[in-house]
Amino acid sequence: GQNIDQPTEMTATEGAIVQINCTYQTSGFNGLFWYQQHAGEAPTFLSYNVLDGLEEKGRFSSFLSRSKGYSYLLLKELQMKDSASYLCAAYSGAGSYQLTFGKGTKLSVIP
Amino acid sequence: GAGVSQSPSNKVTEKGKDVELRCDPISGHTALYWYRQSLGQGLEFLIYFQGNSAPDKSGLPSDRFSAERTGGSVSTLTIQRTQQEDSAVYLCASSTKTGGETQYFGPGTRLLVL
Repeated sequence: GQNIDQPTEMTATEGAIVQINCTYQTSGFNGLFWYQQHAGEAPTFLSYNVLDGLEEKGRFSSFLSRSKGYSYLLLKELQMKDSASYLCAAYSGAGSYQLTFGKGTKLSVIP
Repeated sequence: GAGVSQSPSNKVTEKGKDVELRCDPISGHTALYWYRQSLGQGLEFLIYFQGNSAPDKSGLPSDRFSAERTGGSVSTLTIQRTQQEDSAVYLCASSTKTGGETQYFGPGTRLLVL
């Protein structure tokens, strides 16, 4: 089985940087997804990490450490529209193609 | 291009009734997934299709839940004899193939069982 932990809520100021952490315990692991979900909307893909290290994509970066079972999503130059839930999901790989999601981190960006 | 579509967007039903939820995946996507998102909970995997077959049904919570996919495209999730605890958002996702490919989600169907 898999267990995914991430903070329930975070608050940050417009223009600032925020880091959302995710830890996972899995019986098999092949990669880590981050999704963004605005209230009442579908989750949208942000990033997918397979190898250790930091991957940068514009204002968003994602980091993975497979040995530590740890990932984070880094959001820079926060904008009000970044207020959303951020979902961490582990992909276990062959034999089980489902994603196992954490409960999500609700980020509130304040002026 | 068109994304994943789901219908209805909202469904209110009475306890004990059957409901059918529909998912239209992105054209050409062979893999299709159903998830459930209850209030305050993470997305919970229900079932996965590769083409028309469902190699992984491990997430279906009871035998009241079933799903089928026809023509390698549209999928229907059926909940029989609905219970109040079935109230949730039911999300469908599709991907080009299995194996770590990005899953693209539809807007979901909000089901309320009274």
